[in-house]
Amino acid sequence: GAGVSQSPSNKVTEKGKDVELRCDPISGHTALYWYRQSLGQGLEFLIYFQGNSAPDKSGLPSDRFSAERTGGSVSTLTIQRTQQEDSAVYLCASSLNRVNTEAFFGQGTRLTVV
Amino acid sequence: TQLLEQSPQFLSIQEGENLTVYCNSSSVFSSLQWYRQEPGEGPVLLVTVVTGGEVKKLKRLTFQFGDARKDSSLHITAAQPGDTGLYLCAGAPNYQLIWGAGTKLIIKP
Repeated sequence: GAGVSQSPSNKVTEKGKDVELRCDPISGHTALYWYRQSLGQGLEFLIYFQGNSAPDKSGLPSDRFSAERTGGSVSTLTIQRTQQEDSAVYLCASSLNRVNTEAFFGQGTRLTVV
Repeated sequence: TQLLEQSPQFLSIQEGENLTVYCNSSSVFSSLQWYRQEPGEGPVLLVTVVTGGEVKKLKRLTFQFGDARKDSSLHITAAQPGDTGLYLCAGAPNYQLIWGAGTKLIIKP
């Protein structure tokens, strides 16, 4: 695609429910990142996919968070049993490969847990 | 652990003033990237610096990469309200991007 696409753009969910956030990276980009950003703050790394390598999951804050990337393209971030502290903007980025690391971001999913 | 430290964390200045934002590390980077993020949007790449001592200009923005490739700076001349945003530096020491915490810049008319 022309750019990184994330859906939904906004999600309001009740505490305890599961949510799935989707990211469509730029076609041909082998690297994909998920970040979390609270209002006015920097980027909190969650997970990194690179090609067929095992993902770097070191940033996932708890076992309620998981992500997968199917066919080296679309990625889904799943948050189980959501808590109010999960409320944030979730950003996805992709980059071409391990050498060209310039990142292209989606517009994010704003998650509100009520 | 390789870190990128940005300073200042927050800067609020009047339109027309000059400013400099810094991105420092104890590690050598093959390149550093600068991004700007506006409210409600994802960060957007401004520039990549690759060569030690390199200077790149983007209109009123001047980016410099330190000779030792451990630090970088962003200088804005005659800041405008449209420069308001979160400025982030990033590098990929082991192919995976790491990020500075960002500098929140507000330019008051």
